Amino acid sequence: NAGVTQTPKFQVLKTGQSMTLQCAQDMNHEYMSWYRQDPGMGLRLIHYSVGAGITDQGEVPNGYNVSRSTTEDFPLRLLSAAPSQTSVYFCASSSGTAGQPQHFGDGTRLSIL
Amino acid sequence: GENVEQHPSTLSVQEGDSAVIKCTYSDSASNYFPWYKQELGKRPQLIIDIRSNVGEKKDQRIAVTLNKTAKHFSLHITETQPEDSAVYFCAAGGGATNKLIFGTGTLLAVQP
Repeated sequence: NAGVTQTPKFQVLKTGQSMTLQCAQDMNHEYMSWYRQDPGMGLRLIHYSVGAGITDQGEVPNGYNVSRSTTEDFPLRLLSAAPSQTSVYFCASSSGTAGQPQHFGDGTRLSIL
Repeated sequence: GENVEQHPSTLSVQEGDSAVIKCTYSDSASNYFPWYKQELGKRPQLIIDIRSNVGEKKDQRIAVTLNKTAKHFSLHITETQPEDSAVYFCAAGGGATNKLIFGTGTLLAVQP
């Protein structure tokens, strides 16, 4: 039981490049979400999904796309990377029942030059 | 929009002392309030949570209190130890979407 798996762990991009951050969970969780973590800003919600085929915007969605074709996977896409997107990205999942703990992946450290 | 404020941003205590971190939230529909601990370079990990039908919850040296009327909740750590040093995040949410909004974090340093 791997929990929440994120790949890659580290990535360096040039401005304007595109990239997909991968997130997979093996706990059959309905709810999945993406956060970015910047110094002094805490964890800010980018996008979330309450089940396959359903996604919605969080606090800071601009510049990011998501899709949820399966229960297990929730990739985050950067279509045209910008230096302001340099951050640590965390994926999390929880069961669909309201008020359940979210389980985090190990994060992806992304640098945009 | 939804907002969670967390104070203080940094907290330094002597080993054995107590530490208190406070959060306020704006969305009155919030019904789930977890606390996460994050060590340097690691993922956030849940340490305790409380739901809106409970006013206080305790787990060994850690306790959380909730005042729904005032929309604030607090984390209390007693008999602090050096290994308690980390960043602590509060969050509020739940409801139909299970969406969580996090506070900006508190860096706790426990001096031996």
